[in-house]
Amino acid sequence: SQQGEEDPQALSIQEGENATMNCSYKTSINNLQWYRQNSGRGLVHLILIRSNEREKHSGRLRVTLDTSKKSSSLLITASRAADTASYFCATSGNTPLVFGKGTRLSVIA
Amino acid sequence: DAGVTQSPTHLIKTRGQQVTLRCSPKSGHDTVSWYQQALGQGPQFIFQYYEEEERQRGNFPDRFSGHQFPNYSSELNVNALLLGDSALYLCASSSVPGETQYFGPGTRLLVL
Repeated sequence: SQQGEEDPQALSIQEGENATMNCSYKTSINNLQWYRQNSGRGLVHLILIRSNEREKHSGRLRVTLDTSKKSSSLLITASRAADTASYFCATSGNTPLVFGKGTRLSVIA
Repeated sequence: DAGVTQSPTHLIKTRGQQVTLRCSPKSGHDTVSWYQQALGQGPQFIFQYYEEEERQRGNFPDRFSGHQFPNYSSELNVNALLLGDSALYLCASSSVPGETQYFGPGTRLLVL
């Protein structure tokens, strides 16, 4: 079973625009992680936010975490065509990572 | 520094056969996890190995088994293959379970 649920399932934007993806989960967590996957290849770790953190930045990425609402968001600013990929949130608690179904992001040049 | 490597990259098998997939973790990592990713889905956790023992297991039947060697590399074995086993199999390594996972490129298995 999958705990994380990303929203939207698919997102299409113009290059230079910002992209926001949301993730909801069900149980308590130690941390929440975001990963990117290009064309069915291996996943690349983007950012990890711990349960006692509310916001974290890494380059053009901004992640927020609201443990009271059991939700997280990933913001990619000034998107590029190379950002086209599937993005997954994954929660870590008493079990190893539990992934959602992902958001497919298309950035049009 | 080599990242996580997996072999083979692609594999075609027929129903009922057995398959072995291999994974070498990132240098310095001793924990290896295996995931199955069906088309259009997120990765599903199969099991995790640490110190040559299976530490945690997801909701997969006993047909799925694994092994970790003293050099931390790992194998995933699937017996009595079913059509539904067709998927991308991902190996990930970490230095601390539950923290950042480093994924290999995956093995794409097709069962006919």
